[in-house]
Amino acid sequence: NAGVTQTPKFRILKIGQSMTLQCAQDMNHNYMYWYRQDPGMGLKLIYYSVGAGITDKGEVPNGYNVSRSTTEDFPLRLELAAPSQTSVYFCASSYSRGREGNSPLHFGNGTRLTVT
Amino acid sequence: GQNIDQPTEMTATEGAIVQINCTYQTSGFNGLFWYQQHAGEAPTFLSYNVLDGLEEKGRFSSFLSRSKGYSYLLLKELQMKDSASYLCAVGGESYNTDKLIFGTGTRLQVFP
Repeated sequence: NAGVTQTPKFRILKIGQSMTLQCAQDMNHNYMYWYRQDPGMGLKLIYYSVGAGITDKGEVPNGYNVSRSTTEDFPLRLELAAPSQTSVYFCASSYSRGREGNSPLHFGNGTRLTVT
Repeated sequence: GQNIDQPTEMTATEGAIVQINCTYQTSGFNGLFWYQQHAGEAPTFLSYNVLDGLEEKGRFSSFLSRSKGYSYLLLKELQMKDSASYLCAVGGESYNTDKLIFGTGTRLQVFP
């Protein structure tokens, strides 16, 4: 049982480059999330999705884009990378949220991104 | 808006009891989670409270008071492996789902 799988684990980008962080889950969870975590800080919500075809902005969406074409995959796109996007990115999924009841988030192992 | 406050750092001795507090101000409320995160690793789920009161799970307990916007995580019989960051996360009702917002976390160091 793989759970939530993120790739790559590490990446170094130059300013202005673009890349896609991949996230896949095999638990048939409808809810998926992208968080970033700066050193010594908590998690900031970038984007989330309640199901295939539906996405919404979190706390810090600027500079990022997402898509959710399938239940399993929730890629995060960085356009024109900037040093401020140096961070650890975590993808997470959950079975239910909100009015449907609250189940805990399952996290991937993270992608460590450096923009220089 | 949403605001979640936790102490930045705490220290404790092996075998002792420690209480990590979390206060929150959110536009809505739909449950509070505690996660543990070891350095360089992903967060892992510890506990969940949606009603007032105490939830106990082995050495860990979590308490919630919705009227006070307050929760705490109680760790008993501390072990060295409990050295980690502890993240409080609150769900605020929003558009058919729940934006789970995290506090900055409390880094706990356990000394022998």
